[in-house]
Amino acid sequence: GAGVSQSPSNKVTEKGKDVELRCDPISGHTALYWYRQSLGQGLEFLIYFQGNSAPDKSGLPSDRFSAERTGGSVSTLTIQRTQQEDSAVYLCASSFIETQYFGPGTRLLVL
Amino acid sequence: GIQVEQSPPDLILQEGANSTLRCNFSDSVNNLQWFHQNPWGQLINLFYIPSGTKQNGRLSATTVATERYSLLYISSSQTTDSGVYFCAVNRDDKIIFGKGTRLHILP
Repeated sequence: GAGVSQSPSNKVTEKGKDVELRCDPISGHTALYWYRQSLGQGLEFLIYFQGNSAPDKSGLPSDRFSAERTGGSVSTLTIQRTQQEDSAVYLCASSFIETQYFGPGTRLLVL
Repeated sequence: GIQVEQSPPDLILQEGANSTLRCNFSDSVNNLQWFHQNPWGQLINLFYIPSGTKQNGRLSATTVATERYSLLYISSSQTTDSGVYFCAVNRDDKIIFGKGTRLHILP
């Protein structure tokens, strides 16, 4: 693929519902990163994968958040029982050695 | 945890001017990166620079790891340089971001 893709691009959900966000990295990129950016705020690191493994999951904001990566490729970020404070842009990036390439993000709004 | 501070928080310059953005960090790190987020939200990784100096066109970056700071230089700025510049450090499988410098280049 030409770049990192994320889906959906926008998601509106009701408080308490579960959501699943998807990231398709650039083919061959071994590392994959998830970030969150709340409105007008800076970037918050959530988790990264090297292959299918996430060395440290403590960056996830709460136990309602989980992430997995299968086949060294696609990753999903799942938020259970969404809260209004989960509203943000969720960004994914992938890299092979150094440079991270970012996707366009998923804009999540929890009503 | 590690603190990452960027300065200045905001910067307004005329097109053609040069600028220096600073990133200070409070502890030793494995790596340091600079990112640019354009006004439409797209993020680009500018430099991956744990130490030393790198240059890419009109942009260059220097990290002095022993003194815990990094500088991003933008020369002959253009309106397309506008946006927010983030510094981020890697430590123990985590990435910690500064709050960014918002740069606005006037035509």
